[in-house]
Amino acid sequence: GAGVSQTPSNKVTEKGKYVELRCDPISGHTALYWYRQSLGQGPEFLIYFQGTGAADDSGLPNDRFFAVRPEGSVSTLKIQRTERGDSAMYLCASSLMAGGAADTQYFGPGTRLTVL
Amino acid sequence: AQSVSQHNHHVILSEAASLELGCNYSYGGTVNLFWYVQYPGQHLQLLLKYFSGDPLVKGIKGFEAEFIKSKFSFNLRKPSVQWSDTAEYFCAARGRGGATNKLIFGTGTLLAVQP
Repeated sequence: GAGVSQTPSNKVTEKGKYVELRCDPISGHTALYWYRQSLGQGPEFLIYFQGTGAADDSGLPNDRFFAVRPEGSVSTLKIQRTERGDSAMYLCASSLMAGGAADTQYFGPGTRLTVL
Repeated sequence: AQSVSQHNHHVILSEAASLELGCNYSYGGTVNLFWYVQYPGQHLQLLLKYFSGDPLVKGIKGFEAEFIKSKFSFNLRKPSVQWSDTAEYFCAARGRGGATNKLIFGTGTLLAVQP
């Protein structure tokens, strides 16, 4: 089947604007993750969903960032009042079942966000 | 604090040379360890993973990694690299049995293989 997909692939916005980034996980995967990758760095964890609920949101940098997964499949990462420092590649990953011993996360192509 | 360190930021090799990329982790309990690869213009792909058992793990494309618990290391190796191995390589760790399933990544190693 298809892998993890993310839309848009690129997003350019102005400082102060609101943006939404979308993630479609692999069909049947119950766990979904958001990471952020800045230039020259590895991905940094933002939030993880098990089903519809956020099981761990400890990586969200502040209250401008919010994510939802209302039906346990597609997820949307929402950023309010964007700042230039939010510019990064936003990665989504999914896995079959979070916490399983053999659980592996599969990554999407990412959304490159640029805040001018 | 949980962390993963990759000390080689940029490696340049000639084809057929041997490769070893270092990865050290700092974790409070049992960990799962991963190597991901990102080829130019492509997304992160799993190269190999260690959960338990044999500490020598074999992955795709001839890569292998050895988990050495006493050294908190999980170095990636390949006996003979090819030009197509040019990519960025990320080591990652995940705690086992905890409430979260998040991966902690290193900063990555950019490998350039010259033909």
